[in-house]
Amino acid sequence: KAGVTQTPRYLIKTRGQQVTLSCSPISGHRSVSWYQQTPGQGLQFLFEYFSETQRNKGNFPGRFSGRQFSNSRSEMNVSTLELGDSALYLCASSWTDGNYGYTFGSGTRLTVV
Amino acid sequence: TQLLEQSPQFLSIQEGENLTVYCNSSSVFSSLQWYRQEPGEGPVLLVTVVTGGEVKKLKRLTFQFGDARKDSSLHITAAQPGDTGLYLCAAALDGSNYQLIWGAGTKLIIKP
Repeated sequence: KAGVTQTPRYLIKTRGQQVTLSCSPISGHRSVSWYQQTPGQGLQFLFEYFSETQRNKGNFPGRFSGRQFSNSRSEMNVSTLELGDSALYLCASSWTDGNYGYTFGSGTRLTVV
Repeated sequence: TQLLEQSPQFLSIQEGENLTVYCNSSSVFSSLQWYRQEPGEGPVLLVTVVTGGEVKKLKRLTFQFGDARKDSSLHITAAQPGDTGLYLCAAALDGSNYQLIWGAGTKLIIKP
């Protein structure tokens, strides 16, 4: 059974550029959540999608957006990158919601220079 | 604002010692989860507890959910270097599609 797959694993971008990260959840999982993790702030919730609809949203600026496709795959986009966006971006999936736990991908390490 | 306080933030002990990590809140949660994360990887779910007073064991790890479902503890017996990692607790809010609240994590180092 394949796990949660995130691509790319590493990314270096220049300030002002935009970036798209991809997440393929475990087959059958319909809920996909995105998190930003930095040493100083810990794990910060970005948003959650369920059946192509954004169900929950964290406190991030509008530069951060996402979407989910009919096959449950999800993408997140960050526009006008800032140095502070450098972080490990994690995707997590579950059958329906987070009450019984999530399966996380290995993350995408984004460095903004 | 719901907060999940995790303590200690950092713990460095010798192999063979016992330790306990705590996760506390003033809110009642429908479930509480413990994860372990290694550098450069995503968190891995260790256990989910849902019933007040529940105790679960995973080899040398014992997890407990408080009677009032506001706190939890993770106890490791005879710690080994392989237990090294960042331990995170996360609690699911009742309603609101069980959005998770995360603790800041406990960085655990087990020295051989």
